[in-house]
Amino acid sequence: GEDVEQSLFLSVREGDSSVINCTYTDSSSTYLYWYKQEPGAGLQLLTYIFSNMDMKQDQRLTVLLNKKDKHLSLRIADTQTGDSAIYFCAERDNTGNQFYFGTGTSLTVIP
Amino acid sequence: NAGVMQNPRHLVRRRGQEARLRCSPMKGHSHVYWYRQLPEEGLKFMVYLQKENIIDESGMPKERFSAEFPKEGPSILRIQQVVRGDSAAYFCATAGGGTEAFFGQGTRLTVV
Repeated sequence: GEDVEQSLFLSVREGDSSVINCTYTDSSSTYLYWYKQEPGAGLQLLTYIFSNMDMKQDQRLTVLLNKKDKHLSLRIADTQTGDSAIYFCAERDNTGNQFYFGTGTSLTVIP
Repeated sequence: NAGVMQNPRHLVRRRGQEARLRCSPMKGHSHVYWYRQLPEEGLKFMVYLQKENIIDESGMPKERFSAEFPKEGPSILRIQQVVRGDSAAYFCATAGGGTEAFFGQGTRLTVV
C-alpha cells in the first residue's frame, strides 16, 4: 500500500493556529482528506480536496496541497479546546477504490 | 439513511476464544474496509472487501484473522484464539460511488 505519514502529537494554546502536516507517496491520488476522531468515537470527515486544487478554505479550516512535494496540511484558525482530537489525513488512489490513512496526529489544545 | 453500524461496541473475550466483529455498510455501499487502532500506533489498514470478494488483505495477520463480506448481511471480521495483543479498537469504513468513506463507531475488543 501507499505510505501516508503524520507526526503523532501536536500541542497548541487556545486561540492560536494549529497546523497539522501530512506527506504521502502516491502521485496519482485523486482526493485527499482530513478526518477527525474524538475520544471513543469513529472518524468523521472534516474536509477534502481534489488533487488538482492547491487550497481549500472552510470557515476555520484551511487545507493546503503541494502536489509536487506530496505534502498536505490542515490549518485550524483560533483553535478551541473542542478541537482536541486525533486528526487523520488520507488519500484515495487513482482507482477510486482504496483509501490510505496516516497514523493520526493527536492535537491537544491547552487552555 | 442509517450510517455505518458496527456491533458490538464493546467486546470482552478470554484468551483463546473467538471474536466476531460485524459491520453493516451504509445503504448502497459495496466497499468495506477494516482498520485496527492501537493506542499511540494510529490507524492500520487490515483488509478491503467488495461483495463476496477480498480485494486487498495486505494488512491482515497471516494467522487467526479472517474477513468476509457475504452477498447478504454484514461484513464480519473474525479473530480466532484471541491473545492479549489483539486488544484494540477495530473500525470499519464503507464507500459507494461517492467521494468519501464513512466510518462506524468501532468495536473495542478487550482480551482478558
